[in-house]
Amino acid sequence: DQQVKQNSPSLSVQEGRISILNCDYTNSMFDYFLWYKKYPAEGPTFLISISSIKDKNEDGRFTVFLNKSAKHLSLHIVPSQPGDSAVYFCAGRLGGSNYKLTFGKGTLLTVNP
Amino acid sequence: GAGVSQSPSNKVTEKGKDVELRCDPISGHTALYWYRQSLGQGLEFLIYFQGNSAPDKSGLPSDRFSAERTGGSVSTLTIQRTQQEDSAVYLCASSLLPLSTDTQYFGPGTRLTVL
Repeated sequence: DQQVKQNSPSLSVQEGRISILNCDYTNSMFDYFLWYKKYPAEGPTFLISISSIKDKNEDGRFTVFLNKSAKHLSLHIVPSQPGDSAVYFCAGRLGGSNYKLTFGKGTLLTVNP
Repeated sequence: GAGVSQSPSNKVTEKGKDVELRCDPISGHTALYWYRQSLGQGLEFLIYFQGNSAPDKSGLPSDRFSAERTGGSVSTLTIQRTQQEDSAVYLCASSLLPLSTDTQYFGPGTRLTVL
């Protein structure tokens, strides 16, 4: 059972435009959601997170929206830059004793100059 | 300061052999996680260490997998009698404290190929 789903394996946008990456989840026990960015041959790097009690969190060009009733979150990048080209992973975190992350399969974002 | 480091970066082995993968977490980080990413999949949780507490091994896929963390720092993931389905990128992450607000920092991973 895939608890975190990223249904778009890839997305291509033009530089300067908005990139919208989507993520759906099934586990209502997630208390935090995170987005990680991964370049080839590197480990994922933390990008932005949102608590399950909030519906929006913004950090510079990056904004994450959470719709709990729809069990859906999205990452908006505006304006998109070529350096944003990477694989983006959505993850849900269970509260409790270990805070392990459950990841989606990722979306490859390509920002064209 | 130094980030999470892992070694080797690549490992090719023959089916049936044992392998050891090493993780050096960020100094002072008390929580350490192992994940793996198989081709076309997301990252899959394997095991979690926190201080001197018993590790959470709930993600280990079989008893061929084991891990230890010595002195609360370096961790070794061991896979015995490797199978082709073990081929994946194995990622280690550490965090300062196991708090829900704390960020997990990942190493570059070890790419394991079982022939």
